[in-house]
Amino acid sequence: DQQVKQNSPSLSVQEGRISILNCDYTNSMFDYFLWYKKYPAEGPTFLISISSIKDKNEDGRFTVFLNKSAKHLSLHIVPSQPGDSAVYFCAASEDNDMRFGAGTRLTVKP
Amino acid sequence: DTGVSQNPRHKITKRGQNVTFRCDPISEHNRLYWYRQTLGQGPEFLTYFQNEAQLEKSRLLSDRFSAERPKGSFSTLEIQRTEQGDSAMYLCASSLGRMEETQYFGPGTRLLVL
Repeated sequence: DQQVKQNSPSLSVQEGRISILNCDYTNSMFDYFLWYKKYPAEGPTFLISISSIKDKNEDGRFTVFLNKSAKHLSLHIVPSQPGDSAVYFCAASEDNDMRFGAGTRLTVKP
Repeated sequence: DTGVSQNPRHKITKRGQNVTFRCDPISEHNRLYWYRQTLGQGPEFLTYFQNEAQLEKSRLLSDRFSAERPKGSFSTLEIQRTEQGDSAMYLCASSLGRMEETQYFGPGTRLLVL
């Protein structure tokens, strides 16, 4: 069962514009949400996270928004840079479990 | 410390053989996680350790899969009687504390079962 879904396999944006990556989940018991970035031939690297008690967390160019009623979170990257081109995974955790989405490949064009 | 390391980086084996992968976490991290990632999917959580104690193993894919962390430092993941469906990237991660704490991933071991 896919408890965390990223419905867009790919996204292409122009350098300097906003990138918005979306993620939906089904398990209301998830209490922490994370975004990871992955470059080819490397393991995923942590980007930003948010607790279920918050609705927004910002770190530099990256902002994560959480809408608990809709069971939806999104990652905003502003402004997007070519170096942001990677696969982005959404993840959700509760107690002894961590679930990842299938990923969205972001391409930022110069 | 340069991060989480995994060995080997690549493994090709014949169906029915046993394989063992090693993960060395960041030294001060007491939690260690194993994941499997197949093409086009995100990492799939398998098991994790806090120090030498394996706290969750119900997500291991079958009884052919086992993991150990005997001294609370490095860990091994063994797959017995490999099947072609076991072909995947096996990722290890470590963290300081709870599940939601930042997990630092290694580069993974890519397994191909012929």
